[in-house]
Amino acid sequence: GAGVSQSPRYKVAKRGQDVALRCDPISGHVSLFWYQQALGQGPEFLTYFQNEAQLDKSGLPSDRFFAERPEGSVSTLKIQRTQQEDSAVYLCASSHTQREETQYFGPGTRLLVL
Amino acid sequence: KNEVEQSPQNLTAQEGEFITINCSYSVGISALHWLQQHPGGGIVSLFMLSSGKKKHGRLIATINIQEKHSSLHITASHPRDSAVYICAVIGMVGNEKLTFGTGTRLTIIP
Repeated sequence: GAGVSQSPRYKVAKRGQDVALRCDPISGHVSLFWYQQALGQGPEFLTYFQNEAQLDKSGLPSDRFFAERPEGSVSTLKIQRTQQEDSAVYLCASSHTQREETQYFGPGTRLLVL
Repeated sequence: KNEVEQSPQNLTAQEGEFITINCSYSVGISALHWLQQHPGGGIVSLFMLSSGKKKHGRLIATINIQEKHSSLHITASHPRDSAVYICAVIGMVGNEKLTFGTGTRLTIIP
């Protein structure tokens, strides 16, 4: 079956530009996570949805970062007025809602801000 | 100090060697994941465990909850095992977000 997909796979943005990153989770998965992975580092949590509800956004680094999942399936991570320090791989993962369920990761979107 | 620490950071071994990667964590957890990340590739979950030991093919993962420690072992290592291996934990409270270690870069030389 289809896994988690993300688009675009690569994005080059000029500093100050707004970008939108899309995540299509596995069908029926209730939980959706966004993570940010800087070069050479482990991923770090950004935000978490359970269906359409954003239950935790404590990892979003600034108010330039905004995420939504309006119908409880596809999610979009938007970054306004991008800065060079936003350059990273943005990973999306989904799972069933229970705590000890495996998270399935998408291939990531590699964002480069020039 | 990170909540999840891995060692070693880098590991180079000859094909066929037995590999051990260690993970220590400082918080109470409900589960621990071992993940594999190939260069330029996505992340694949290898194991999720909350106690004891799990085995899949040449991979074995163990966890000691009392000592807050887990190990990933690879038997009869092969060049295709070359990847970054990441330990990640789910805390006991809150949502199921993962807190990650910084990873161990494994290179297996033919």
